[in-house]
Amino acid sequence: EPEVTQTPSHQVTQMGQEVILRCVPISNHLYFYWYRQILGQKVEFLVSFYNNEISEKSEIFDDQFSVERPDGSNFTLKIRSTKLEDSAMYFCASSEGGIGYLAYNEQFFGPGTRLTVL
Amino acid sequence: TQLLEQSPQFLSIQEGENLTVYCNSSSVFSSLQWYRQEPGEGPVLLVTVVTGGEVKKLKRLTFQFGDARKDSSLHITAAQPGDTGLYLCAGQNIYNQGGKLIFGQGTELSVKP
Repeated sequence: EPEVTQTPSHQVTQMGQEVILRCVPISNHLYFYWYRQILGQKVEFLVSFYNNEISEKSEIFDDQFSVERPDGSNFTLKIRSTKLEDSAMYFCASSEGGIGYLAYNEQFFGPGTRLTVL
Repeated sequence: TQLLEQSPQFLSIQEGENLTVYCNSSSVFSSLQWYRQEPGEGPVLLVTVVTGGEVKKLKRLTFQFGDARKDSSLHITAAQPGDTGLYLCAGQNIYNQGGKLIFGQGTELSVKP
């Protein structure tokens, strides 16, 4: 069964360093998302991406964050200068359809990358 | 801002008991998705409900979407230890807020043998 994969599973970095989290969405999916989950808190939406551009972003997704689809398979989240409060599980998700396709789109999540900022 | 409140946050029951998890909002959603999440893993989609009043069954799990599409419930019949895990509801409003999912805080279920 197709699945979303993410690498690395755990990333430890020093405050102020840049990190890139990688995701390989399900191959025929067109819509891509990043969410994060701080320990003990809700899963929060960060950004959605379609047709090589950002569709929507949350208030969390400030200038320190960027996303890219560098090739036909990978989808990346870059944090330019990490802060302690960026420590969280980061989940990538993908969906086949999106806005205007149906009244919903079912999103499938990867296993996550645990980011620890020291 | 749309919010989803899930209750209860924690539930510990004996094998064979029934339980219901609730997901409530003051806002209307175009759909609601239920996920299950194991520790250290990503959420796994269980079901999507779309139509007000819709009921979907997945073996011993019954999902219902409220008539007004503001609330949903998950009912588990004859719970088993394998049902132990974190259950998340997530609302989506395609028409006003695009495809993003708004998650509840989750219900941590523990089923003891």
